Amino acid sequence: DAMVIQNPRYQVTQFGKPVTLSCSQTLNHNVMYWYQQKSSQAPKLLFHYYDKDFNNEADTPDNFQSRRPNTSFCFLDIRSPGLGDAAMYLCATGAGRLVEAFFGQGTRLTVV
Amino acid sequence: GESVGLHLPTLSVQEGDNSIINCAYSNSASDYFIWYKQESGKGPQFIIDIRSNMDKRQGQRVTVLLNKTVKHLSLQIAATQPGDSAVYFCAETYNQAGTALIFGKGTTLSVSS
Repeated sequence: DAMVIQNPRYQVTQFGKPVTLSCSQTLNHNVMYWYQQKSSQAPKLLFHYYDKDFNNEADTPDNFQSRRPNTSFCFLDIRSPGLGDAAMYLCATGAGRLVEAFFGQGTRLTVV
Repeated sequence: GESVGLHLPTLSVQEGDNSIINCAYSNSASDYFIWYKQESGKGPQFIIDIRSNMDKRQGQRVTVLLNKTVKHLSLQIAATQPGDSAVYFCAETYNQAGTALIFGKGTTLSVSS
């Protein structure tokens, strides 16, 4: 059974139209991560939560926001998607430091 | 900024050979490392991890070696199989970053029969 679930698997949005990607977990993990992965590149950490504490990476554009209303759910909001934001977006969860993170299957975002 | 990276972007081996995938890291404060396997269109899958107080860890057909002196990490896959074909990433955490998990550049492993 999937433990980190991302919906939808594929998302098409219009240039400049806000879009929200969703992630849920059944692992009850404290940490939830959002990564952006472009073709042939490594996943790039955008931000992560430790419980309700939000940690933004220094180079994450302001266009990207996140919400974590409870332990199980986390959302990635892209306020005004540009063509350069087309990518695979990966959600992951972890129990804390020094333990592995579990990944969902990703949402592939297309901007038209 | 400091990051984890891999030496070679691609590695081609024959089925049954042993594979070695390398990773160099620059942050001497890194205290935990993970190897992930990613198949096309899927999320990364955990393979094996190692903490900085160890220099070797073994799993089923895989071994991770950590050399803190030269800041080098390697993943050894024994008797490589076609199903091992994927992109392999190393990732790290370091104390100042809390729970942030940072990925290095990947190596694409191709296994031919």
